[in-house]
Amino acid sequence: AQKVTQAQTEISVVEKEDVTLDCVYETRDTTYYLFWYKQPPSGELVFLIRRNSFDEQNEISGRYSWNFQKSTSSFNFTITASQVVDSAVYFCALSARGNKLTFGGGTRVLVKP
Amino acid sequence: GAGVSQSPSNKVTEKGKDVELRCDPISGHTALYWYRQSLGQGLEFLIYFQGNSAPDKSGLPSDRFSAERTGGSVSTLTIQRTQQEDSAVYLCASRPPRTGPGDEQFFGPGTRLTVL
Repeated sequence: AQKVTQAQTEISVVEKEDVTLDCVYETRDTTYYLFWYKQPPSGELVFLIRRNSFDEQNEISGRYSWNFQKSTSSFNFTITASQVVDSAVYFCALSARGNKLTFGGGTRVLVKP
Repeated sequence: GAGVSQSPSNKVTEKGKDVELRCDPISGHTALYWYRQSLGQGLEFLIYFQGNSAPDKSGLPSDRFSAERTGGSVSTLTIQRTQQEDSAVYLCASRPPRTGPGDEQFFGPGTRLTVL
């Protein structure tokens, strides 16, 4: 069985602060994929980033960066210099052999001006 | 281009009635998913269609739920004898051909179902 845990239910920051979202996953598959999706108030899930289980290299894409550590089964996501438009619910998700996404419970981020 | 569309955007029904939710995937996308987002259960997988293969129905919560995909395009999720616990947002997603579990799914805006 697969499981994704996002321990933080809500984070509130002031604009320009950095925000780090935690994600811990469980799977018995050796090949798997990890994702972060954003759900703004409009409701539509928007893909942000993806990482496969064989590539632990951490990357930065614009204001987004992620830290994938297989040793701790974690896939944390950071928004640098947050903006009000970053206010949304962020979901970490896992996909393996079954093709379906298993989502964490989501973290609501509120960026105040 | 056009994204995934779903209709209706909102649906209010009475307990015991049947409802049909529609999903139009992105043109040419061969994989189609239904997910459900509810306060109690979070975001959960319901069913997955891939081309002409038998669908993966492992996420359907009961036999009151069914889905079909006609002509490899439009999909309809049917809930029979709706219950109040069926109240949720039903999300549809699609994925291009020659992609797999490591590729992005494109989500629609969802249908908010309220069962009174």
